[in-house]
Amino acid sequence: AQSVTQPDIHITVSEGASLELRCNYSYGATPYLFWYVQSPGQGLQLLLKYFSGDTLVQGIKGFEAEFKRSQSSFNLRKPSVHWSDAAEYFCAVGGSAGTALIFGKGTTLSVSS
Amino acid sequence: EAGVAQSPRYKIIEKRQSVAFWCNPISGHATLYWYQQILGQGPKLLIQFQNNGVVDDSQLPKDRFSAERLKGVDSTLKIQPAKLEDSAVYLCASSLGPGGSGANVLTFGAGSRLTVL
Repeated sequence: AQSVTQPDIHITVSEGASLELRCNYSYGATPYLFWYVQSPGQGLQLLLKYFSGDTLVQGIKGFEAEFKRSQSSFNLRKPSVHWSDAAEYFCAVGGSAGTALIFGKGTTLSVSS
Repeated sequence: EAGVAQSPRYKIIEKRQSVAFWCNPISGHATLYWYQQILGQGPKLLIQFQNNGVVDDSQLPKDRFSAERLKGVDSTLKIQPAKLEDSAVYLCASSLGPGGSGANVLTFGAGSRLTVL
């Protein structure tokens, strides 16, 4: 079955510390992978995407993610977290034929001062 | 460019009443999606349109939910009659359409929050 697992429901990170949010997927075909961020009361904003090529992708707001096919993972990272990064983060997977995205349940990030 | 527009932003209804949500996608985007996001969960696809045709509605509760996309542009999602478990945020998204990397890049609207009492 096609699915996305985000093992961490809630993570708290100190401002200025590094961040890694985990994402594992199960997908029968070549996956297209995404990270979206959702602030309270807002829709989802695309942070970055992986389609093919370099397995380390850069996104907006200083985020990056690494695709590891052998581990079926697409973890999101940021070297130094800012208070404004507090939000909910969703990993998603889709296929090459324009199929709809399947989302994980999300990870809530809190940033402490 | 203008984003995905949704209305209303908030709606409170009694159970067994009906409600409708409207979505206007980004101009030129052929594919339109409706997702349901229950509190504490990730978005779940309800229906996907390609122009004005349905691509996937396998997870749409068809006994109470209906959706249409007339003329391949804006779309309406209706719930009738509503149940308590329909309380959620209804997200509309659009993408360019099949073919090319833009096919899978979804742009989301701000969502319509439904509370069923």
